[in-house]
Amino acid sequence: NAGVTQTPKFRVLKTGQSMTLLCAQDMNHEYMYWYRQDPGMGLRLIHYSVGEGTTAKGEVPDGYNVSRLKKQNFLLGLESAAPSQTSVYFCASRSDRAAIRRDQPQHFGDGTRLSIL
Amino acid sequence: LAKTTQPISMDSYEGQEVNITCSHNNIATNDYITWYQQFPSQGPRFIIQGYKTKVTNEVASLFIPADRKSSTLSLPRVSLSDTAVYYCLVGVSTITSGGGADGLTFGKGTHLIIQP
Repeated sequence: NAGVTQTPKFRVLKTGQSMTLLCAQDMNHEYMYWYRQDPGMGLRLIHYSVGEGTTAKGEVPDGYNVSRLKKQNFLLGLESAAPSQTSVYFCASRSDRAAIRRDQPQHFGDGTRLSIL
Repeated sequence: LAKTTQPISMDSYEGQEVNITCSHNNIATNDYITWYQQFPSQGPRFIIQGYKTKVTNEVASLFIPADRKSSTLSLPRVSLSDTAVYYCLVGVSTITSGGGADGLTFGKGTHLIIQP
């Protein structure tokens, strides 16, 4: 059981290049999230998805696009990378078991370290 | 989502009990309190969650007073490997209240340093 897997783990881009970060989860979770974490900071939500085929903006969505074509995958795209997007990107997923009246904890991957030169 | 305030950093020694307090004055009726732990180069990991009074698991205890405006994460007999950043989060799964998706708000957390 791999949990949440992010690929790639590291990447260096030049300004203006595009790339896609992949997040895959094998827990059959409905909800998936993309966060970014800058040095000494907490995590900030970029986009999220409540289920296959749905996406929504989070706190810092500008410059990013996402897609959830399959339930187990959540892709984060950078169309034209900028140095300000240098960060560590974390993907997370969680269950939507509404029958249990409590927050289901989020399960995180180990991050993708992205540098934009 | 309720805003939280917690100390930026704390120091302690191996074998000691460590208590990290989080303030959340505007916590809503349906909000749960959740703590995550993050080691360098890793994603956050769920530690414990509670709604009121006391919750204990194999890793930690969570104390929540009656007014729920604060909470305290207690780590018994810490070791060097407990050095990490600890995040306190307050929120509700909006799907349980019929709304859309949520997104946890992570502050800067508390950087706990355990010394020998």
